[in-house]
Amino acid sequence: GAGVSQSPSNKVTEKGKDVELRCDPISGHTALYWYRQSLGQGLEFLIYFQGNSAPDKSGLPSDRFSAERTGGSVSTLTIQRTQQEDSAVYLCASSLRAGTGTLNTEAFFGQGTRLTVV
Amino acid sequence: AQTVTQSQPEMSVQEAETVTLSCTYDTSESDYYLFWYKQPPSRQMILVIRQEAYKQQNATENRFSVNFQKAAKSFSLKISDSQLGDAAMYFCAYRSKETSGSRLTFGEGTQLTVNP
Repeated sequence: GAGVSQSPSNKVTEKGKDVELRCDPISGHTALYWYRQSLGQGLEFLIYFQGNSAPDKSGLPSDRFSAERTGGSVSTLTIQRTQQEDSAVYLCASSLRAGTGTLNTEAFFGQGTRLTVV
Repeated sequence: AQTVTQSQPEMSVQEAETVTLSCTYDTSESDYYLFWYKQPPSRQMILVIRQEAYKQQNATENRFSVNFQKAAKSFSLKISDSQLGDAAMYFCAYRSKETSGSRLTFGEGTQLTVNP
């Protein structure tokens, strides 16, 4: 597709259930990032992928959170045993490559998944 | 670790007027990128303008310009001739140039209202 695509757009789940959020980056983009935006807050980094590997998982808030990326393309963020504090907008971004050159590292964002845990 | 601070949770401006959004940051690095992103109600983050720290000239993009003060670690955004479509949440962000694959570090955001 032309841009970063995230699904679902909105998700309501019951506390304790597992959820999967999907991100389809721009074709050819090797770097992929997940961020979390809680209500009225800025974006909080969760995890970064370069290809299929995740060199930086330092932002994942607990072991209930995991992410994978297959084929260097689609990524899924999984939250197990959801809690009410997990309610937030989860944003995905991709860039052509990760590095220090400006033109290659501009991040393009999807429209996010709004997760509500009830 | 780097931090980004936006001290204005909300700002308002009259249509066609000029408004300045403030941002300060903290870093020990000498070279880095700074960005302003716009987030409308659609939630999608849109890049407004970017600045490379080693460039002394302030970046401009049409009605958007920045005032980059490296020594003061300040990076404000000026929007001239404000339009109704400029209403959105604006985020200031920092990215290291020294770390490959570096993530963006965001401020808390400033909600901009444009009054007709």
